[in-house]
Amino acid sequence: NAGVMQNPRHLVRRRGQEARLRCSPMKGHSHVYWYRQLPEEGLKFMVYLQKENIIDESGMPKERFSAEFPKEGPSILRIQQVVRGDSAAYFCASSPRGDRGNEQYFGPGTRLTVT
Amino acid sequence: AQKVTQAQTEISVVEKEDVTLDCVYETRDTTYYLFWYKQPPSGELVFLIRRNSFDEQNEISGRYSWNFQKSTSSFNFTITASQVVDSAVYFCALMMYNFNKFYFGSGTKLNVKP
Repeated sequence: NAGVMQNPRHLVRRRGQEARLRCSPMKGHSHVYWYRQLPEEGLKFMVYLQKENIIDESGMPKERFSAEFPKEGPSILRIQQVVRGDSAAYFCASSPRGDRGNEQYFGPGTRLTVT
Repeated sequence: AQKVTQAQTEISVVEKEDVTLDCVYETRDTTYYLFWYKQPPSGELVFLIRRNSFDEQNEISGRYSWNFQKSTSSFNFTITASQVVDSAVYFCALMMYNFNKFYFGSGTKLNVKP
């Protein structure tokens, strides 16, 4: 049973370009979460999605960031016009349900470097 | 507001030593969950344990044990007879009852030397 898949594992973008990060949840999981980890810091929640719905986007920056989880295909975290401060590791997690206190299964992360 | 503090940034021990990783949390809610995750050098986070706020029983799993004390808002993690493979960053996290998102501490990097 494959775990949470994220690609690419490493992504380099120049300032002003767009970054697209993909996340395929574990088989049977319909809930996806995105977190950002800045260097030497813990993970910070960004957004929680269910298939075709954004449930909680309280951690998403107001501009340039968007996320989707379509009916078919992976979840996508999109960062437009990247800036150096966007350099971080972005982790995706999934859970089978939205039950309270659900364990979340994490992917290996995508390390974004903005030059 | 919710907050998790892991005051120990980095700990180094020699193999076979016992080591305790501290976690202190803040919340006004009475119902919540506490977690520990391990992040090995490969990067992914590995689930270790979940505790809900109603269950203050300590838990032991092999060489790992957890001490949950609501009175001091702490959820400490002890590794007995540490091994080199325990070297990783360990995160403590808080999840509120009605929300499916984690509040993570900043992590403790554990170095176990042979």
